[in-house]
Amino acid sequence: GAVVSQHPSWVICKSGTSVKIECRSLDFQATTMFWYRQFPKQSLMLMATSNEGSKATYEQGVEKDKFLINHASLTLSTLTVTSAHPEDSSFYICSARWTEGHGYTFGSGTRLTVV
Amino acid sequence: QKEVEQNSGPLSVPEGAIASLNCTYSDRGSQSFFWYRQYSGKSPELIMSIYSNGDKEDGRFTAQLNKASQYVSLLIRDSQPSDSATYLCAVEIQGAQKLVFGQGTRLTINP
Repeated sequence: GAVVSQHPSWVICKSGTSVKIECRSLDFQATTMFWYRQFPKQSLMLMATSNEGSKATYEQGVEKDKFLINHASLTLSTLTVTSAHPEDSSFYICSARWTEGHGYTFGSGTRLTVV
Repeated sequence: QKEVEQNSGPLSVPEGAIASLNCTYSDRGSQSFFWYRQYSGKSPELIMSIYSNGDKEDGRFTAQLNKASQYVSLLIRDSQPSDSATYLCAVEIQGAQKLVFGQGTRLTINP
């Protein structure tokens, strides 16, 4: 159980365009999901916490107007990278906390390349 | 001081030996600790979780927690080449219900 599905697995977009990444909990309800970004040879950095039915909580230094998060249902959270630039190229990973004390499960990640 | 610190390695261990990975954390109130394995280009997968002081064993993996020293470790016995990956220590921040990751330790098992 506790599967998180993330799509797309990779995307290439032109500079200035927007890209949407979806994260779905397949067999459980996730009131809270998390979005991470990982640059090559670096660890996961939490970008924001996505709460169902309310505004996301962004970590310090993350532009909320650039990284739009929507958590409209208990099984779906989306991250939209707006006006993407090459420096936004990274590995984006979503996560959900699935049961009290049982850890966090991760989506398979989205490799974003902005050209 | 970083919230979660790991030796970034790389750590090289011969096949069949014990690999020892270490992690320290700064939030004394943290109660939940996790070890994730991440292969290159993939997302992290949970290896072990530990919540109480002492050892927790699961197959070839043993997690050790010492809250007084704010230290958590992962031992991998009978290391296999397939264990070669980056191991991430993660700590759940008390009250915030979010994970903070260490920088990861890159482990290579040499045949």
